[in-house]
Amino acid sequence: DAKTTQPPSMDCAEGRAANLPCNHSTISGNEYVYWYRQIHSQGPQYIIHGLKNNETNEMASLIITEDRKSSTLILPHATLRDTAVYYCIVSGTSYGKLTFGQGTILTVHP
Amino acid sequence: DAGVTQSPTHLIKTRGQHVTLRCSPISGHKSVSWYQQVLGQGPQFIFQYYEKEERGRGNFPDRFSARQFPNYSSELNVNALLLGDSALYLCASSSSVGNTEAFFGQGTRLTVV
Repeated sequence: DAKTTQPPSMDCAEGRAANLPCNHSTISGNEYVYWYRQIHSQGPQYIIHGLKNNETNEMASLIITEDRKSSTLILPHATLRDTAVYYCIVSGTSYGKLTFGQGTILTVHP
Repeated sequence: DAGVTQSPTHLIKTRGQHVTLRCSPISGHKSVSWYQQVLGQGPQFIFQYYEKEERGRGNFPDRFSARQFPNYSSELNVNALLLGDSALYLCASSSSVGNTEAFFGQGTRLTVV
């Protein structure tokens, strides 16, 4: 699976959009980009995933660049409850292995 | 609907002992994966089972084993516990074996003393 690079930490004001970047320059054609988050002491929570088109659901939007070498997770109106570690994962295995890195600690402040 | 349930939630064991952790997937999900999360790090993949067969294995020693039952629940077994096995053990279920979203349980916190 391709390696991902994320900033170790980010801050965001409550009510503003949080834009979390991820670099995956070695991604191959059959690999998906997944985003999960983990709130302290809980199991990871699925947010969104995509292959090459931009995706949106009730939680977030995923923007994947045309060359697929990077992506951005957008939380449109961050709340204090969005404070968590956000993991960007690239996976193309035929089974469901997820390779978690260190992730980005997002802190949403009032 | 119940999510992924894991038991026990917390466990303390002594070095050299054996431990069994249990996971019940979301109803209808046939795939179960296990992850180990050491404090301060992201989860590390241990196993995936689908339809009672092992489909993937991470870089863990043979002391770690797992199985899946006909009702799709799963057990993770760890023999000859080491202090370094202290971690949060997470179970995830998904509807199929490949690239789908995984739903994680709250985990079992194992402490080896």
